[in-house]
Amino acid sequence: QSVLTQPPSASGTPGQRVTISCSGSSSNIGSNFVYWYQQLPGTAPKLLIYTNNQRPSGVPDRFSGSKSGTSASLAISGLRSEDEAEYYCAAWDDSLRNPVFGGGTKLTVL
Amino acid sequence: EVQLVQSGAEVKKPGSTVKISCRVSGYNFIDYYMHWVQQAPGKGLEWMGLVDPKDGETIYAEKFQGRVTITADTSTDTVYMDLSSLRSDDTAVYYCARSHGGLGECQFDNWGQGTLVIASS
Repeated sequence: QSVLTQPPSASGTPGQRVTISCSGSSSNIGSNFVYWYQQLPGTAPKLLIYTNNQRPSGVPDRFSGSKSGTSASLAISGLRSEDEAEYYCAAWDDSLRNPVFGGGTKLTVL
Repeated sequence: EVQLVQSGAEVKKPGSTVKISCRVSGYNFIDYYMHWVQQAPGKGLEWMGLVDPKDGETIYAEKFQGRVTITADTSTDTVYMDLSSLRSDDTAVYYCARSHGGLGECQFDNWGQGTLVIASS
């Protein structure tokens, strides 16, 4: 059971906007930044969003992050087939004194 | 260019110890924490521990405490992860990942390619 809770799956058609939620608590999301990672099949995870809503260089602006209280969301607009991947949220947990991940959300582009 | 290059796949007997390396290049080794993350087949990411290469200080996840040892060799810019008393459920891909920022950050901005460890008799 992961400390951060994500839906196991999400889907959308090309061009659509999808959102993936990440729920935590006051000791992690509620008091620390949220990060999002994209993992394409058979590859290492890649940083997608940092400090709640910032995109690293090279990440399209179709990807956006937000945080409110103890929850966070990743939004993907203008969905493309290459966005089909597993998405993970992460945050530092003050009680555990370590990073924690969500269980991952498999995004399917129909 | 920042690169994290991990050692190759391992097949180990249950009860034994595996040692995985992660050699870095393209940045000042002691300026960033290095983490290890486990991913079992078909499962999510699980944080195992970190090392501060500057002074060797470590923090381990409770789940792996007592079985995992992470070290940093500043002479070769390499981080090592030892996992002992291997069990079948340790079969997984193990990633090293560099974190940007201080302790309390989860900005893993560069990852190794992963090392598959199979624990099987």
